[in-house]
Amino acid sequence: KNEVEQSPQNLTAQEGEFITINCSYSVGISALHWLQQHPGGGIVSLFMLSSGKKKHGRLIATINIQEKHSSLHITASHPRDSAVYICAVRFHEKLTFGTGTRLTIIP
Amino acid sequence: GAVVSQHPSWVICKSGTSVKIECRSLDFQATTMFWYRQFPKQSLMLMATSNEGSKATYEQGVEKDKFLINHASLTLSTLTVTSAHPEDSSFYICSARTPGGEQYFGPGTRLTVT
Repeated sequence: KNEVEQSPQNLTAQEGEFITINCSYSVGISALHWLQQHPGGGIVSLFMLSSGKKKHGRLIATINIQEKHSSLHITASHPRDSAVYICAVRFHEKLTFGTGTRLTIIP
Repeated sequence: GAVVSQHPSWVICKSGTSVKIECRSLDFQATTMFWYRQFPKQSLMLMATSNEGSKATYEQGVEKDKFLINHASLTLSTLTVTSAHPEDSSFYICSARTPGGEQYFGPGTRLTVT
């Protein structure tokens, strides 16, 4: 079974700050997803990574396969980025989810 | 990006009745769809994996006779909660995987059983 740990659990920052959310997992995976869940509940898939780095707008995701670690960065954070960010790893065709990081950006 | 829709977005039903939730991949064909359940402040829990044209594979502890899953086409999967009870009240989320391996999530369906 793959264990997925995220840190921090909660993060409050001022608008404009650079945000980093971390994800560590315990066994080898075929892919890692970063997801965003807003208070209404809907989930948006931000990235799927198997190696290296991806960038989309102000969001950057990196993964280090050897260290079993991934980070999600948000540059120039904005109140609309406030949400729960979830790391999920694919192992044996199933996703295992982290418990999420609740991000609050204060104007 | 790819879009997955769910219908309804919320439903209230009486105890003992059945509720059907639809999940559609709108702009791609999904050979595999997943159904998850999420309780407040908890992470998503996989209920079952559904492949088009075959029976769903249920996770341990999920009653297949209570949560009926049908994946009749490459763009549609349905979850029917039969004889619903208040403890079935939850947020149900479907997800669809593209042939390339990317996975997209529906907006979820909030079920309340009274």
